[in-house]
Amino acid sequence: TQLLKQSPQFLSIQEGENLTVYCNSSSVFSSLQWYRQEPGEGPVLLVTVVTGGEVKKLKRLTFQFGDARKDSSLHITAAQPGDTGLYLCAGDQTGANNLFFGTGTRLTVIP
Amino acid sequence: GAVVSQHPSRVICKSGTSVKIECRSLDFQATTMFWYRQFPKQSLMLMATSNEGSKATYEQGVEKDKFLINHASLTLSTLTVTSAHPEDSSFYICSALTGLARSTDTQYFGPGTRLTVL
Repeated sequence: TQLLKQSPQFLSIQEGENLTVYCNSSSVFSSLQWYRQEPGEGPVLLVTVVTGGEVKKLKRLTFQFGDARKDSSLHITAAQPGDTGLYLCAGDQTGANNLFFGTGTRLTVIP
Repeated sequence: GAVVSQHPSRVICKSGTSVKIECRSLDFQATTMFWYRQFPKQSLMLMATSNEGSKATYEQGVEKDKFLINHASLTLSTLTVTSAHPEDSSFYICSALTGLARSTDTQYFGPGTRLTVL
C-alpha cells in the first residue's frame, strides 16, 4: 500500500524557473522527511518537518508540513541544473519502525 | 554526519548463485538497519527491518528464505540474495538508525548496491 503520493511524477523545467512538488496522504505522520537521490546513489536527507504548519527553508528550497500533518510540499526557487534528481518524501508514523516513502518526483532542470 | 557504507557497489552474478551485500555504519552504532529495494524510476520499497541480535522482520510479500538478513553486530548487517534470478536484479539500499529514542532518530542511507542477475 502506497501511503504517500507525490505529484508530479516527472518534471522538466528550464533553469531559473520555480517549481513545487507535492506529497499527499490520507494518513497522519509524526514527521515527514524530504530526500534527494541521484542515479546510482542512496537518498540524501534534505530536511525533516515535525510540527503541523511548519515551514523550513534550505537556501532556495522551502519545505512546508501541512497543518494536519498529512501532506507536505517542496518549493524550489530559481531552479538550477544541480537540482536535478529524484525527490522523495518519507513519512514517519508513531509506533511504526520504518519510513514510508512517497512515489517520487523526478526533476530535470535544463540549462 | 553519520556514514553508512555498502559493499559491493555493483555485482553481476549468474542465475542460481547467491550474493551477499554488506551494510556498515562507519562511525556510529546502529541497533536497527533497514533494507530497501528500488526498481528503475521507482521509489524505495522497504524489504525488511534488521535488529541487532534478533531475527529480521520482513515486509509482506518479501520471502525471508530468499533474502537472508543477518545483523550480527551493531555496525554490520548483511543481506544475502539466495538462488538469485533475473527478476531479483535491482538497486538494494540499506539504512541505519541512530539513537535509541525513536522520536529523535535519523535514518542514514548507504550508497546502494546495483545487483544484476544474468
